[in-house]
Amino acid sequence: RKEVEQDPGPFNVPEGATVAFNCTYSNSASQSFFWYRQDCRKEPKLLMSVYSSGNEDGRFTAQLNRASQYISLLIRDSKLSDSATYLCVSFFLNKFYFGSGTKLNVKP
Amino acid sequence: DVKVTQSSRYLVKRTGEKVFLECVQDMDHENMFWYRQDPGLGLRLIYFSYDVKMKEKGDIPEGYSVSREKKERFSLILESASTNQTSMYLCASSRRARPSGKLSGYNEQFFGPGTRLTVL
Repeated sequence: RKEVEQDPGPFNVPEGATVAFNCTYSNSASQSFFWYRQDCRKEPKLLMSVYSSGNEDGRFTAQLNRASQYISLLIRDSKLSDSATYLCVSFFLNKFYFGSGTKLNVKP
Repeated sequence: DVKVTQSSRYLVKRTGEKVFLECVQDMDHENMFWYRQDPGLGLRLIYFSYDVKMKEKGDIPEGYSVSREKKERFSLILESASTNQTSMYLCASSRRARPSGKLSGYNEQFFGPGTRLTVL
């Protein structure tokens, strides 16, 4: 079983829509969590860290639920440029564990 | 501007060849990582190094070895390339986590552009 599980999608949404991704993690001792964005044929780049109290960065909101061991990412007012694969990441003892990614397609 | 560079973007090798993939970071990071990424499987950790000359096996070390003689450079070696090692190889670096084990965005992983290796 993978350490981090995500719905691969794709999520096809119109511009301006709100879309949410969830991922689950299996190690209850995981120390930190992140969302990375990966464009086609490019390397992953950090989108945002996920804090226990939840955090927001512009149109993006991340939430952590330790009791249920899941992390979420909410994107409001989707833009065409948001089209990418979103990777959920957990961290434990200096190692990062990546989900397989959720693909988002934002259509005009 | 922080940077992780990899020696090649595309590489084609033959079965049985010895292959070297080089990664260099200019951020003075303690930790360096080698992953491979395959469709549907996501990123899988091959090897990890937390200091010069130190290394730790990841999830799929078989068929690979690594070398870290200098802090900024982490090399991945395929001793005898096989077709099932055709993949995208990504190098990354990060600061060592603080003693509490907590990380912040300050400790994010930075990735190189990747090397797409094809083994014929």
